[in-house]
Amino acid sequence: SQKIEQNSEALNIQEGKTATLTCNYTNYSPAYLQWYRQDPGRGPVFLLLIRENEKEKRKERLKVTFDTTLKQSLFHITASQPADSATYLCALATQAGTALIFGKGTTLSVSS
Amino acid sequence: NAGVMQNPRHLVRRRGQEARLRCSPMKGHSHVYWYRQLPEEGLKFMVYLQKENIIDESGMPKERFSAEFPKEGPSILRIQQVVRGDSAAYFCASSSGGGSYEQYFGPGTRLTVT
Repeated sequence: SQKIEQNSEALNIQEGKTATLTCNYTNYSPAYLQWYRQDPGRGPVFLLLIRENEKEKRKERLKVTFDTTLKQSLFHITASQPADSATYLCALATQAGTALIFGKGTTLSVSS
Repeated sequence: NAGVMQNPRHLVRRRGQEARLRCSPMKGHSHVYWYRQLPEEGLKFMVYLQKENIIDESGMPKERFSAEFPKEGPSILRIQQVVRGDSAAYFCASSSGGGSYEQYFGPGTRLTVT
């Protein structure tokens, strides 16, 4: 069956450390993968998109990798801050412009 | 603010009533997606529309649910004869299509069925 899984429901780290979140998928051939941030009671906010032919993307303190052999994406937040505390969602699409298939999310808590 | 707008933000309906959820996409976007988020569940795709056309409704329940995106005005998600199981957060997202695949989400409508 097709699955997209974010391995940890919750991740607790200390301020200043690097947070690494994992997204694995099975029986999909995604054209691209996106990461979103969602705060309680709010809509998801787009962070980064990475295409199937890209290995890595960076934006400020954020880095995403995409390994189509391992069927995995890693999302890194370097020098984490308490303000980074939120739920992070990964989502894939099998074709351009089609619906996104979401994981359940990982809730990150950064303590000072 | 030219972001995706949804209204109402909160909607309470009694069982059997109708719920109408509205979504205005970002300026310049002509692609609209509706997703539902149940408590403790991930976001689930419902329907994808472009102006005056339903492109993909594979995630939409066959009965009681309908969606439209008219030439003028917002996209509407309509739920007839609501049941308690319809209580959820409903999110609309928009994209510009073409070569841009990012979807930008609205704040959501939280529907409570009593």
